Amino acid sequence: DAMVIQNPRYQVTQFGKPVTLSCSQTLNHNVMYWYQQKSSQAPKLLFHYYDKDFNNEADTPDNFQSRRPNTSFCFLDIRSPGLGDAAMYLCATRGGDFTDTQYFGPGTRLTVL
Amino acid sequence: AQSVTQPDIHITVSEGASLELRCNYSYGATPYLFWYVQSPGQGLQLLLKYFSGDTLVQGIKGFEAEFKRSQSSFNLRKPSVHWSDAAEYFCAVMEYGNKLVFGAGTILRVKS
Repeated sequence: DAMVIQNPRYQVTQFGKPVTLSCSQTLNHNVMYWYQQKSSQAPKLLFHYYDKDFNNEADTPDNFQSRRPNTSFCFLDIRSPGLGDAAMYLCATRGGDFTDTQYFGPGTRLTVL
Repeated sequence: AQSVTQPDIHITVSEGASLELRCNYSYGATPYLFWYVQSPGQGLQLLLKYFSGDTLVQGIKGFEAEFKRSQSSFNLRKPSVHWSDAAEYFCAVMEYGNKLVFGAGTILRVKS
């Protein structure tokens, strides 16, 4: 049974057209993360939520925003996608203890035309 | 800031042969270390993790890793590789109790 679900799996958008990626979890985890993974690179953390507390990485562009309306759902909004934002976007969740495992979703592949 | 180095971008091994993937970390205190595997177009799956205790850690799918503080290493091993092990492998260190910092990854190819 899927525990971290990402929709859609593939998203195509146009340069400058806002896009929203969705993540949901059935694990009731406190922490939710968004990573960006460009081709042949390591995943890079954009931001994370600990419950409702939002934590932005210092080098995450302002173009990237996130919302977490409840425990189960978290959204990644890209306000004006550029060609350089084409990547795989990975959502992950973790329980409240730092020793808990991070569980990753299958990712959303974003293409910017 | 913490960093992780995976010196091998690609490794090719024959099916049935042993495997070792290298990982070196840079971290001042006791590191929390992880190995994840990613199949093409998929998310990451945890193979194993080290927090403390026994320096030889057993994971899923027959993988193990050994933490060596003196060498700042956390190498992943498997005694006999299967074709289904072909994937990309990421070593990671936890930073500030919350954030994973990943190495650049090693792509494993298995030849029959």
